[in-house]
Amino acid sequence: RKEVEQDPGPFNVPEGATVAFNCTYSNSASQSFFWYRQDCRKEPKLLMSVYSSGNEDGRFTAQLNRASQYISLLIRDSKLSDSATYLCVVSPGVGRRALTFGSGTRLQVQP
Amino acid sequence: GAGVSQSPSNKVTEKGKDVELRCDPISGHTALYWYRQRLGQGLEFLIYFQGNSAPDKSGLPSDRFSAERTGESVSTLTIQRTQQEDSAVYLCASSFSLAGAARTQYFGPGTRLTVL
Repeated sequence: RKEVEQDPGPFNVPEGATVAFNCTYSNSASQSFFWYRQDCRKEPKLLMSVYSSGNEDGRFTAQLNRASQYISLLIRDSKLSDSATYLCVVSPGVGRRALTFGSGTRLQVQP
Repeated sequence: GAGVSQSPSNKVTEKGKDVELRCDPISGHTALYWYRQRLGQGLEFLIYFQGNSAPDKSGLPSDRFSAERTGESVSTLTIQRTQQEDSAVYLCASSFSLAGAARTQYFGPGTRLTVL
């Protein structure tokens, strides 16, 4: 089983739609959680951190469910520019170092 | 300020040759990471440097791979006797890092390696 699992998609949605991505992680000791965005042939960039209480940044809302080891990202009012691959990222925990990246979920927003 | 830079941006080499990839982290970032991303796949952790501590090499796929970092500056990733399966984008990231905590990683643009 992969440490971080995501539905690869693609999710094809019209502009203005609301879309949600889910991610599960296997290490219950994981401490920090992030969503990164990666455009085609570009490097990943941090989209937002995910906090236990849930957090929102404009059209983006992230949620964490530690009991179910589940992270979600909700995008409201999708824009064409949201088309990208969204990477779920988990920090394995105290004493470990590098982040563990999911394989990503591809989003294509269509006009 | 300047972000993470990597060179070369593209490298084409023949099977069996050695290659050296370079990463310049963001100034002041104590942690540096190397990842590999094969076409259409996720990021695969290779190695992590944190200050003067011994590097975490647990992700290196074989002894053909090695990396060095001088202090808190430049790092080089060396692949010896390259194989076709080494073809990938090699990404470097840096972050502030405190022991036991994760910090936001900032990625360089990557080096696209093609082994013929």
